[in-house]
Amino acid sequence: NAGVTQTPKFQVLKTGQSMTLQCAQDMNHNSMYWYRQDPGMGLRLIYYSASEGTTDKGEVPNGYNVSRLNKREFSLRLESAAPSQTSVYFCASRDGHPGELFFGEGSRLTVL
Amino acid sequence: TQLLEQSPQFLSIQEGENLTVYCNSSSVFSSLQWYRQEPGEGPVLLVTVVTGGEVKKLKRLTFQFGDARKDSSLHITAAQPGDTGLYLCAGASNSGGYQKVTFGTGTKLQVIP
Repeated sequence: NAGVTQTPKFQVLKTGQSMTLQCAQDMNHNSMYWYRQDPGMGLRLIYYSASEGTTDKGEVPNGYNVSRLNKREFSLRLESAAPSQTSVYFCASRDGHPGELFFGEGSRLTVL
Repeated sequence: TQLLEQSPQFLSIQEGENLTVYCNSSSVFSSLQWYRQEPGEGPVLLVTVVTGGEVKKLKRLTFQFGDARKDSSLHITAAQPGDTGLYLCAGASNSGGYQKVTFGTGTKLQVIP
């Protein structure tokens, strides 16, 4: 089973460029999330989608936008990348207990 | 802002030793999860504890939720090299109708053969 699939796995951008991180889950989960992971700061929530058709800001939404395309897919867009957005990005989904998340393998983004 | 502090941040031990990792907060959580993350991969859920004082065992791993549901511990008996990884605790709580999940900063464990 694929679970949560993220693309791309690695990306290098120049400051000011834009890009979209794609995420798809095949577990029929209602809720999907985007986190970023930085050394010493743990996982921080960027945006989440409690169900198809809804999206809400998390702790660190500035500089990002999201689209819940359908129940399976949740994308994260950086409109004008900045070096501070260099991070590892994780997509996750859940449909059961609130804290029980299923994560993708991550997308490592470097902004020069 | 809810904070989950984990200690120690780093731990390097020999195979066969025992260890305990702590996860502390001043906030009450409705449940607490432990995840393990290996390099280049996403976190994988190990366990959920819900009731204050609850103890769960997963082979050589023992998880405990504090009586007041503010803290938790993970004890590993006879550590193996395969236990190496980043251990993350996460607390779930209600926040304005949304089930918020707060992650700790993690404990990086290295088990030396």
